[in-house]
Amino acid sequence: KNEVEQSPQNLTAQEGEFITINCSYSVGISALHWLQQHPGGGIVSLFMLSSGKKKHGRLIATINIQEKHSSLHITASHPRDSAVYICAVRKGGATNKLIFGTGTLLAVQP
Amino acid sequence: AAGVIQSPRHLIKEKRETATLKCYPIPRHDTVYWYQQGPGQDPQFLISFYEKMQSDKGSIPDRFSAQQFSDYHSELNMSSLELGDSALYFCASSSTGRAADTQYFGPGTRLTVL
Repeated sequence: KNEVEQSPQNLTAQEGEFITINCSYSVGISALHWLQQHPGGGIVSLFMLSSGKKKHGRLIATINIQEKHSSLHITASHPRDSAVYICAVRKGGATNKLIFGTGTLLAVQP
Repeated sequence: AAGVIQSPRHLIKEKRETATLKCYPIPRHDTVYWYQQGPGQDPQFLISFYEKMQSDKGSIPDRFSAQQFSDYHSELNMSSLELGDSALYFCASSSTGRAADTQYFGPGTRLTVL
């Protein structure tokens, strides 16, 4: 079983819809990242969370440490939001490395 | 704002050749991380450096080595290349080695081994 699981794996939405991508993890963490990767492209860091909620434009990320769960929400989705969204966690302790989830492929249709 | 720079962006090599990938972190960032993303796979952590010292090690093959230089840029050296080394190699940087710091990713180097 992967230490970081995302759902759904694939998501198709209509422009303007509210989108939620979920991430569950099974290890103790010090931080959780939400990343965006366009096809064939580089990775962009959207959020880093250790507690609570963060908002940036139309993107909102929340984390519940007790439940080991995080969600990424996109309000008023747009075709340019189409990308792979990846949840990655940094385990607690001395390690700095990120453990990546399998990603959610989002396609927003006009 | 300056971002993480990786060079080259694309690299084609033959089997058994060597390759060197370079990463230039964001100015004043002292920590560099290397990740490998195979086709259709999740990125996997390879190695990281903090203040020019190796700080963590992941699933990096013995054929690979890396170092961080005095100007904080890092190089990933890959020898005896195999077809399975074809992947997108990401570098990320952060301002310190602390867990609380965001990692900023470079655009990646796409390595193709023929």
